[in-house]
Amino acid sequence: KAGVTQTPRYLIKTRGQQVTLSCSPISGHRSVSWYQQTPGQGLQFLFEYFSETQRNKGNFPGRFSGRQFSNSRSEMNVSTLELGDSALYLCASSLAKPGWSEAFFGQGTRLTVV
Amino acid sequence: KNQVEQSPQSLIILEGKNCTLQCNYTVSPFSNLRWYKQDTGRGPVSLTIMTFSENTKSNGRYTATLDADTKQSSLHITASQLSDSASYICVVSANTGTASKLTFGTGTRLQVTL
Repeated sequence: KAGVTQTPRYLIKTRGQQVTLSCSPISGHRSVSWYQQTPGQGLQFLFEYFSETQRNKGNFPGRFSGRQFSNSRSEMNVSTLELGDSALYLCASSLAKPGWSEAFFGQGTRLTVV
Repeated sequence: KNQVEQSPQSLIILEGKNCTLQCNYTVSPFSNLRWYKQDTGRGPVSLTIMTFSENTKSNGRYTATLDADTKQSSLHITASQLSDSASYICVVSANTGTASKLTFGTGTRLQVTL
């Protein structure tokens, strides 16, 4: 079966712009989580969506937002981009709660802010 | 505060040799512990998942151990191959009712050389 698909794979934006990243989970998975990965910080949890509802949120500013559609696809939006937002953004899908059921990661979107 | 610490930060070994990676955690209430392998520029891939009652679990040349009393886990790689070069991330899950949270270690970067 198809894995988790993230688009685009690479993105270059300038400071102040906004960006939208997309994640299509594995068919049947209803939970989608988003993470930011930087070399110094490792993976940092952004938020988790389940059945179109945000169920959990990490400690990121309000410039980071997301949503989930009825088909479980999810988007993440970052507004007013800063240089420090440059990172690999990963999404993971799971059948239910990511803590209970296995989380499968996508390949990530590499965002570079210049 | 939930924390996961991994050691060493990086490791270089010769092909064919064994190695052991360490993970110490302070996560409560503990649900499960996972080891992921992440190749450069790609999403993490699950190697093992262990619950409180499991002491050891193997996946091919990878063997994970868990000591829930001392809150330590290790990942042992046997007869290393060049393809084992990657980052290995320890992830601990805490579940409280409807909420679940994953705490990630910053990873151990393993390089296998000829």
